[in-house]
This record gives sequence, C-alpha cells and structure tokens, in this order.
Amino acid sequence: SQQGEEDPQALSIQEGENATMNCSYKTSINNLQWYRQNSGRGLVHLILIRSNEREKHSGRLRVTLDTSKKSSSLLITASRAADTASYFCATALYGNNRLAFGKGNQVVVIP
Amino acid sequence: SQTIHQWPATLVQPVGSPLSLECTVEGTSNPNLYWYRQAAGRGLQLLFYSVGIGQISSEVPQNLSASRPQDRQFILSSKKLLLSDSGFYLCAWSPPGQGQPQHFGDGTRLSIL
Repeated sequence: SQQGEEDPQALSIQEGENATMNCSYKTSINNLQWYRQNSGRGLVHLILIRSNEREKHSGRLRVTLDTSKKSSSLLITASRAADTASYFCATALYGNNRLAFGKGNQVVVIP
Repeated sequence: SQTIHQWPATLVQPVGSPLSLECTVEGTSNPNLYWYRQAAGRGLQLLFYSVGIGQISSEVPQNLSASRPQDRQFILSSKKLLLSDSGFYLCAWSPPGQGQPQHFGDGTRLSIL
C-alpha cells in the first residue's frame, strides 16, 4: 500500500523560527492530511488538502500540495515550544476508507 | 461534540496471556473505526478497520483479532500474546465515507514480559 514519506526525519529549531517538512507519495491521491503527535499521546488531525487544491492555511500552518511532483510540505511559522511533537503526513486514495501514514518527522522547538 | 475513549492507558501482560483492548466513541453515528499499532519511533501500522457493525477488515496477518459488537464500540483481542505484540495501540474514528480525517484516542502502551 502507498505510504507518505516525510523529510527531514528530525528537525531542531529555535523558538520563533519557521519549521518546514516535506512529504512524498507514490500514487494518485484523493487528499493528503497532516497530523501531530505529542509524546505518548494519540495523533491530532491538523489539516486536510484535497488533490485539486494547491495551498491551504490554518492559523500558523501552511500546507502546499504539488500533485505533479507527488509531494506536500507543511510549514509552521513562528514556532513555539508547544509545537514540539512528531508530525505525520497521511494519504487517502480514491475508493478507500484507509489512510496511509508516513513514518513521522520529529520537531523540537528550543525555547 | 464527539469523543473517543480508549483503555487501559498502560498494560503489562505475560507472554501467552489473552488481551482485550476496548475503544468507544460518543457523539456520532456509524463511524469508521480503526486499530493501529505504533512501534517506538515509527509510523502507524493499520491493523483493522470497520465501516459497520460486524464488518471487520484485516490489514496484516497476525496474532490479533478485532470485533465491533456495537456501532460505537471496537475491541482488539488476542488469545495468546507474543513478545512481538508489544507496542503502542491506537484506536481512531472517522465520519462515514472515504478519505475523512481520523480522530485518535490516547492509546494503550502494551508491554509483554
């Protein structure tokens, strides 16, 4: 089954800086979603971008989708210590009830 | 509003013992339900999902089984646990339909001794 792959795998930044992470996938998708996971907790849905959308914003989050390159990026602006977490992309295929999750990208924001 | 409950939060079991993890959802009807396992520092492996009562799809052959006895109840079971069953188990729900956002419980940390 298809899986998203995040890049880079780990990121350490200073508070106030922007954090960017990328996700690539292999086949056509219905939509792509980003999730956050704090240590020892469940995942929290952040944002969904449909295959016919190129960019979407939610608060300090900006997601782009390039279906020709089969890639997406998540930008967190003006990062805060509370943004420290693992971030996962997940792809939804047409005709499918499942999501395929990537391996995750650990972000550490240093106060 | 919708909520998802998953318990217990942590569990330590001996090899060969049975397992039952329960997940319930409130505030929604006919949800899709999912069980995932997450190894330390790894992504999520989908174990089972269900689109309705008694309808279970298994993603990987394994020592585990799932059941959905009620619309908003999803149970993960094993008759005999293996060491390799250790991990972080997550239940999730989504609205009916394809490609919907999923909402996760807080997980169960299962350690097999």
